[in-house]
Amino acid sequence: GDSVTQMEGPVTLSEEAFLTINCTYTATGYPSLFWYVQYPGEGLQLLLKATKADDKGSNKGFEATYRKETTSFHLEKGSVQVSDSAVYFCALSSLRGGYNKLIFGAGTRLAVHP
Amino acid sequence: EAGVTQFPSHSVIEKGQTVTLRCDPISGHDNLYWYRRVMGKEIKFLLHFVKESKQDESGMPNNRFLAERTGGTYSTLKVQPAELEDSGVYFCASSQVLTGNEQYFGPGTRLTVT
Repeated sequence: GDSVTQMEGPVTLSEEAFLTINCTYTATGYPSLFWYVQYPGEGLQLLLKATKADDKGSNKGFEATYRKETTSFHLEKGSVQVSDSAVYFCALSSLRGGYNKLIFGAGTRLAVHP
Repeated sequence: EAGVTQFPSHSVIEKGQTVTLRCDPISGHDNLYWYRRVMGKEIKFLLHFVKESKQDESGMPNNRFLAERTGGTYSTLKVQPAELEDSGVYFCASSQVLTGNEQYFGPGTRLTVT
């Protein structure tokens, strides 16, 4: 079945460091790919998405490119801030029968220190 | 516009008791999903409603879990009787039928079974 694998955390960085969180997937067909973020004490928020191969999703300085050849959707940010500390979830969605469900990775906790 | 809301935010119950979680989707969203995250693992799909109909309940762990969405508005998820392994965070999400690819999540209900 479809699945998502993302790097285990926690990831600890200093402010202004470069961030990469790896995400790979297994899916039949052509899934859409997402990164969700959960800030402390809050619910899941959609951070960015890509719906087809070579699409780049971006938001709040974060970017991820849908790479079909490597089945990857790695999350990157050039300069992290303390406020980026959160849990990041990679997810895919396959449209089947006119609707979809999300399949998530295990989440990666990011801690950014001043 | 109000987002997805969930009640309660946190529930602590003893093994064998019953708990009912509630989700109010975004107004006009016909798709409603329940997910669960157990002990820092991946977020897993439980079931999906379109209006009041269950479209996919393949993720429901067993018959101790009962979900309803009477009238196609809010949904409830009842666990009866609760077991220790039911502890986790239960998320609800909603989406529009035509743009069903993007799901909006509530803040989650943290369930602790002791």
